[in-house]
Amino acid sequence: DQQVKQNSPSLSVQEGRISILNCDYTNSMFDYFLWYKKYPAEGPTFLISISSIKDKNEDGRFTVFLNKSAKHLSLHIVPSQPGDSAVYFCAASARVVGNEKLTFGTGTRLTIIP
Amino acid sequence: EPEVTQTPSHQVTQMGQEVILRCVPISNHLYFYWYRQILGQKVEFLVSFYNNEISEKSEIFDDQFSVERPDGSNFTLKIRSTKLEDSAMYFCASSEAEVALGKKLFFGSGTQLSVL
Repeated sequence: DQQVKQNSPSLSVQEGRISILNCDYTNSMFDYFLWYKKYPAEGPTFLISISSIKDKNEDGRFTVFLNKSAKHLSLHIVPSQPGDSAVYFCAASARVVGNEKLTFGTGTRLTIIP
Repeated sequence: EPEVTQTPSHQVTQMGQEVILRCVPISNHLYFYWYRQILGQKVEFLVSFYNNEISEKSEIFDDQFSVERPDGSNFTLKIRSTKLEDSAMYFCASSEAEVALGKKLFFGSGTQLSVL
């Protein structure tokens, strides 16, 4: 039951260029989306989120775009830095009373090439 | 920045044994979670806990699993009789408010459970 899909298991980008990570979802009840970053031997750390009432949210080098009609979101990192090399997880939630869970994608391993 | 602490970082056990995974959530958080990630797969929700009771659980969280907040600071996950397929990285997380309000989860660094 892959309600959140990250179809690219890996991505390599030159340092200084833009990294674009993609995520698709199937559950139309999802209305809150998050990106988490994970280094080896560490837990996921929150990066950025977006509510379905917006189509863009920006925080420094990180921007998340949401296309509700396509059920697609993307994370843009610009400029990419070597410290951005990590696994990136897209997660989604339906903000309804009683729902406590985040549904994660399988992750995309981003490698920034110096 | 405050963090979620998990112990041990690695746990090896024999099939059929009981294990307890321990977590200390961020002190002013009220919502607590366990997730797990089997190698190469996605991070999966197991259970959420609020006000000393389970608020939601997944189909994975069967009768072999239980959670407890024994002393107001620790949050534990117990697996009564471990199976080979329980081998995974288990993440504890906490949040100051419910996910439904758009609050983010803070994750611990995980306990790698290996069932032999």
